[in-house]
Amino acid sequence: DGGITQSPKYLFRKEGQNVTLSCEQNLNHDAMYWYRQDPGQGLRLIYYSQIVNDFQKGDIAEGYSVSREKKESFPLTVTSAQKNPTAFYLCASSILGDGLLHFGNGTRLTVT
Amino acid sequence: SQQGEEDPQALSIQEGENATMNCSYKTSINNLQWYRQNSGRGLVHLILIRSNEREKHSGRLRVTLDTSKKSSSLLITASRAADTASYFCATDAYNRGSTLGRLYFGRGTQLTVWP
Repeated sequence: DGGITQSPKYLFRKEGQNVTLSCEQNLNHDAMYWYRQDPGQGLRLIYYSQIVNDFQKGDIAEGYSVSREKKESFPLTVTSAQKNPTAFYLCASSILGDGLLHFGNGTRLTVT
Repeated sequence: SQQGEEDPQALSIQEGENATMNCSYKTSINNLQWYRQNSGRGLVHLILIRSNEREKHSGRLRVTLDTSKKSSSLLITASRAADTASYFCATDAYNRGSTLGRLYFGRGTQLTVWP
């Protein structure tokens, strides 16, 4: 079955450590996105990518980095520079220009 | 900000009743979408309505769009306990001549349907 896989489901890290969240899709979608969700908040866009080896900052990119070396993969690194990293992170993909997002089941990151 | 805002924040109803959620947004859009999120899971696309459409149906879902008021509503008829979830509206921000599509999400309406 086609879909988006995020791993791990839960992630715990100590403050000051970088951590990488995985996102893989087999939908053959060109566009991929990372969103952050905090309790009681809407989703906020961190980074997005339309094609391999290209990506753009979203609304809250500070403290995060991404790469897009393969069409299927769009990993997100939460760096130690991110001041409040504890959140639920959602990866999504879409057909370019379609605007209809397909989401993974998220990674809940807790930093203590 | 183009972000949509859902109303009410929380809605609690009995099975069989209809549930209506509203969304307001601030700037012009090309389309508006509704998504559903079960607790601790990713979002699932429900329905998309384009700016030149006024109403759209999908199964028990009915969506309306009033671009003059910059608002949309999602109606779930004959609700079931399995409809319990958070519902989000999302608006797009297409740049002129670009195929880029970014979505702006509201904070969601938490719907609880009691058996």
